Amino acid sequence: EDQVTQSPEALRLQEGESSSLNCSYTVSGLRGLFWYRQDPGKGPEFLFTLYSAGEEKEKERLKATLTKKESFLHITAPKPEDSATYLCAVQPPFRGGYNKLIFGAGTRLAVHP
Amino acid sequence: DAGVTQSPTHLIKTRGQQVTLRCSPKSGHDTVSWYQQALGQGPQFIFQYYEEEERQRGNFPDRFSGHQFPNYSSELNVNALLLGDSALYLCASSHRQGGEQPQHFGDGTRLSIL
Repeated sequence: EDQVTQSPEALRLQEGESSSLNCSYTVSGLRGLFWYRQDPGKGPEFLFTLYSAGEEKEKERLKATLTKKESFLHITAPKPEDSATYLCAVQPPFRGGYNKLIFGAGTRLAVHP
Repeated sequence: DAGVTQSPTHLIKTRGQQVTLRCSPKSGHDTVSWYQQALGQGPQFIFQYYEEEERQRGNFPDRFSGHQFPNYSSELNVNALLLGDSALYLCASSHRQGGEQPQHFGDGTRLSIL
């Protein structure tokens, strides 16, 4: 069964303290892995798409990497405004050509001044 | 460029009632997906619509149904509401030909069942 597991469930950091979030997945024939940010009371906001092992994407203080079994979201020198829930989702092989997403439960990140 | 819009933002219903939620996709998108997000959990896929037909469905009972209109907007209907249906309902849109392109989400409808 296709599955996505994120760890840790929650993470508390001091401003400037770098860390990484993990997303491990079991899906055969991965089409894409997506990272989203979700603020309280809002919908998920797209951050990155990764397609193949070894790929990396960067945006400001965030860098996402992908291996054959997991993805990491590295946060360098975080600021309080980076506080949010970070969601990882995988896209299994197309069935009929349609692209549902399978999400993990997310990591709740809190960055304190 | 308007993103995905959903209405209403909040809704309170009682057990046994039915509800209709609405979604307008991002400009240029023709595929709409619906997700249910329980508190503290990730979104769970309900179903996806393209060309006014349900194309793929997650593990949800027949009480959950939908519709897509010619202008690509969509509705989610839930009948015989249960307490466990309380959740944030998210709509996401994408372009069918976009393959692995990301889905873009609205801010959801918060449904509370009393």
